[in-house]
Parts: sequence; C-alpha cells; structure tokens
Amino acid sequence: NAGVTQTPKFRVLKTGQSMTLLCAQDMNHEYMYWYRQDPGMGLRLIHYSVGEGTTAKGEVPDGYNVSRLKKQNFLLGLESAAPSQTSVYFCASSYPNYQPQHFGDGTRLSIL
Amino acid sequence: QKEVEQDPGPLSVPEGAIVSLNCTYSNSAFQYFMWYRQYSRKGPELLMYTYSSGNKEDGRFTAQVDKSSKYISLFIRDSQPSDSATYLCAPGGGGSTLGRLYFGRGTQLTVWP
Repeated sequence: NAGVTQTPKFRVLKTGQSMTLLCAQDMNHEYMYWYRQDPGMGLRLIHYSVGEGTTAKGEVPDGYNVSRLKKQNFLLGLESAAPSQTSVYFCASSYPNYQPQHFGDGTRLSIL
Repeated sequence: QKEVEQDPGPLSVPEGAIVSLNCTYSNSAFQYFMWYRQYSRKGPELLMYTYSSGNKEDGRFTAQVDKSSKYISLFIRDSQPSDSATYLCAPGGGGSTLGRLYFGRGTQLTVWP
C-alpha cells in the first residue's frame, strides 16, 4: 500500500523554466491538496480539489496551476519558475468532512 | 492575525521528560483538531485527531482542546529520543472551509538520551 506518492523527489530548475509535479494516491480519497513548506512559515495551502475535475485556490495560489483529471492524481504546474518558488512541496489526500490528511514525502524544488 | 499560532521552539528535553506543546487559534468555528509529527526530510504523519473540546489519550500522547480559550495542547509522557521531530497542530472545520486544515508553523522537539 503506497499511500501518497510524489514525483519527482528532487529537482533543480532555472528561472523561467516550467515543470509539473505529480501526486498519486491509492486510497480512493476524494480530496487532494498541494502545500508548500518554507522555513519559519509552516505548511501553506496552494490549491486543493474536492473531487475529480474540480480545483480551488488556497492561501498562496499565484504562479501555480493544478489539474485533477483523474481521481487518484493531482498535478501541480509551474509555468514560469521563479526563485521565490524554491521550497518543499507536499501533496496530501483525505476523505471528506475533515478526515485526516495523508501526506507524501515531498518534492524538494530549487530554482536558480 | 494568523489563524493558528504555534511557538516554533526549538525545544530540547532529556529522555523521560514530560513535554507540553501548545497552539492557539482565532477561528471559533474550528471543530476538528489534529496533531501531526514530521521527521526530518519526510512528510507529516497524523499523530492525534480530536473532535470538539476535551481530552484524548493514546499511549504516551494526550491531546487537549479548550475551545473556550481557543487553546490546543499535546502532552508527551516519558519522552524518547525517537520522539525527536517537528510537531504541527492543525485545526479545521466550520463554515465553508471544505476540509481545509490550518497548520501551525510547527515546534521542533529534540529528546536527548
């Protein structure tokens, strides 16, 4: 049972490049989330989805786009990477109604 | 004002000590209260989950919620070096937040042998 799997685990980008982070969950969860974690800032919600084909903005959505074409996958895109987007990105999933969120082990992204 | 305030520490205690970790929150609509533990270079993992006010105990861990004062606590008894991690409080619920949790910044705990 893999739980939540994030791909890739590490990546280095140059400013202006684009990339997509993939999150896959095998728990049949309806809800999925993307967070970023920066030193001293805690976990901040970027975007989330309450079901296949739905997405919504979180606390810090600017510069990111997301898609949820399949229930088990949630993609986070950076169209034009900026150094301020250097962070550790976590994906999580859960059942509805404030059930606990299950996290992946993160993607460490550096933008030069 | 942030939704959740948590002292980042760091907190360093000897093995066997009782540890108290705390958060305050501002949204009186919160009804669900979770504590997550995060080891270095790993994702957060659920440690405790409580609904509304009161206490919940699980082994060496006790979670307390006081909704009247908007105060959340996690106690660790007989702390072990394996408890060394960052602990994040995460309340949520109420209104139109649709499952969203609001995470504290996390408290970094070190338990030394």
